Amino acid sequence: KNQVEQSPQSLIILEGKNCTLQCNYTVSPFSNLRWYKQDTGRGPVSLTIMTFSENTKSNGRYTATLDADTKQSSLHITASQLSDSASYICVVSARYGGATNKLIFGTGTLLAVQP
Amino acid sequence: KAGVTQTPRYLIKTRGQQVTLSCSPISGHRSVSWYQQTPGQGLQFLFEYFSETQRNKGNFPGRFSGRQFSNSRSEMNVSTLELGDSALYLCASSLATTSGGLTYEQYFGPGTRLTVT
Repeated sequence: KNQVEQSPQSLIILEGKNCTLQCNYTVSPFSNLRWYKQDTGRGPVSLTIMTFSENTKSNGRYTATLDADTKQSSLHITASQLSDSASYICVVSARYGGATNKLIFGTGTLLAVQP
Repeated sequence: KAGVTQTPRYLIKTRGQQVTLSCSPISGHRSVSWYQQTPGQGLQFLFEYFSETQRNKGNFPGRFSGRQFSNSRSEMNVSTLELGDSALYLCASSLATTSGGLTYEQYFGPGTRLTVT
């Protein structure tokens, strides 16, 4: 069964600290992996998209890594800010029937950055 | 460039009623996907429309349907509402179909919060 599991479910860190969020998936055949940030009451915003051949991608203070062999991804946030408080969602795309992709969503990690 | 807009933002309906939600994609985007988000299930894919055709469908009952117009605007309809349909409904637009072999960025709207009583 195609699944995406994220850990931890929630996390509290102090402003200025770094943190790492995890995403493990069992999706096959793999097409790409995305990380989204969702602020409370708003739609998700894309942070990174990685295909099979990419093992790291950065977007400002956000750095995503992908290990396609172990089917794991991580999102590292450097020097956290209060505005980083949000839910972070990992989404894995599976390719079916040659040309049809299906998105499988994780349930997200809720990050709270405290002053 | 204006982002994805969804109307209405909030909606309260009673069981058994039907509801129609609207989504206007970013100008030039031809693909619209719909998602349901609940605290327990997270984000779940409903369906995707591209060039007025449904290209992909999630595992939802037939009470959930959609359509796309020639200007790429999309509507989603839920008939015979149930309490479990209470959720945030999000739509996302992209330049081309995300169901294809290529990777396209998706841009989400703010969502419509539906409450069924």
